[in-house]
This record gives sequence, structure tokens and C-alpha cells, in this order.
Amino acid sequence: GQSLEQPSEVTAVEGAIVQINCTYQTSGFYGLSWYQQHDGGAPTFLSYNALDGLEETGRFSSFLSRSDSYGYLLLQELQMKDSASYFCAVRDRTGSSYKLIFGSGTRLLVRP
Amino acid sequence: DAGITQSPRHKVTETGTPVTLRCHQTENHRYMYWYRQDPGHGLRLIHYSYGVKDTDKGEVSDGYSVSRSKTEDFLLTLESATSSQTSVYFCAISDLDRGSYEQYFGPGTRLTVT
Repeated sequence: GQSLEQPSEVTAVEGAIVQINCTYQTSGFYGLSWYQQHDGGAPTFLSYNALDGLEETGRFSSFLSRSDSYGYLLLQELQMKDSASYFCAVRDRTGSSYKLIFGSGTRLLVRP
Repeated sequence: DAGITQSPRHKVTETGTPVTLRCHQTENHRYMYWYRQDPGHGLRLIHYSYGVKDTDKGEVSDGYSVSRSKTEDFLLTLESATSSQTSVYFCAISDLDRGSYEQYFGPGTRLTVT
């Protein structure tokens, strides 16, 4: 089967750095994505890693280690608006079609 | 923003009644998805489509059916709604044919089954 594990909640202070980890178990792996969702809103794409290493996009970075079935999202210079839920998702393939399997999400609370 | 809409945005229905949710896109993307989101479960894939009339089941497909007769529309039907299907439903699209791994989500439909 397929499963993803991520912490349910993380709290951090404005201006700090926070890391949200994700471990996965899947039969077919084609990449790891991260999505952000504010309360009452729709998920929005943050990053995608297909290969090992770090991908940086502004204040957000995402890391992948395929040998460890592990990835993380790093948020720097935290702002109050970063308070949201963050989901990791594994890209899986069945035949010729692709789909995403999501983790249950990490709720980030940024305190002043 | 990707052109993706969902209708209705809110619906209250009674147990045993049929319900159809509509997802409409203006991006001409081949892939479309239906998810449900419940507290503590994140997003769970119900069904997805990889082309007109091409659909497949996701991880929680029981009690749901889908249809895609044209590229822009993907319908999700609950044949006989149950209280366990009370949830927020999200539609998403992706443009994998052009190498994009990003999924764009619609605004969601909040469905309550009483």
C-alpha cells in the first residue's frame, strides 16, 4: 500500500525557520510535492522534487532523499501569513496515468 | 489563476438522494481529479480522469461515480448520499502532457448530508 507520515502540528515564532518532515511508503515513486492550504481555501502548489537534493523557491525550500523515502519543506523568515496547513504528496503512476497521494497534513501556527 | 470552477459551492441534501457536483475548466488540461477532504485525513482521491471518457478509481471511490463527456467538464455523482459523504470536495486539474507536475485546485464544494 501507500502511506505518508507528517507531523500533525508545528508551532514556530515569526521570523524563525521551521522544517516539516514527510516520510513515505509507496509502490511506485515519481516525485514529492508540497501544497499549502489556508483555512477555508483551496490547496496551492509550493514545490516538486523528482530528484534527490534541495529545491529553493524564495523563502521556501524542499528537500528529497529517495534512498531514505524522506523529504522536508523548509520555511525561512516565517511570517504570520504562513500559518496554514502543509501537505506532502507522492506522485504515483498506474499504467499510463499519474495521480497524487496526499499526507494528512501539518498545521503550522506562526506566533508573533 | 487556473480557470477552474466548481458548482454548487454549498449543498445540503438528505440521505438517500442523488447528488451531482460539477467541475469546469477552461485550461484544456487532460487530467482532472476529484478529492474529498475531512479533518485528520487530508485530501483523498475519489476518481480521476486522464481524458474524455477515460476515468479510473482512486482510494475512496465506493459510493461515487464520475463522467467526463468533454474535456472541460468532470462530474462527480453520489448515487444515494449517505451521512459519511458529508465533506468538502475539491476538483483539480493538471497539465502533465506539457511536463507540469502542479495540480490546480478549484474552490471546493461543501456538501452536508442530513
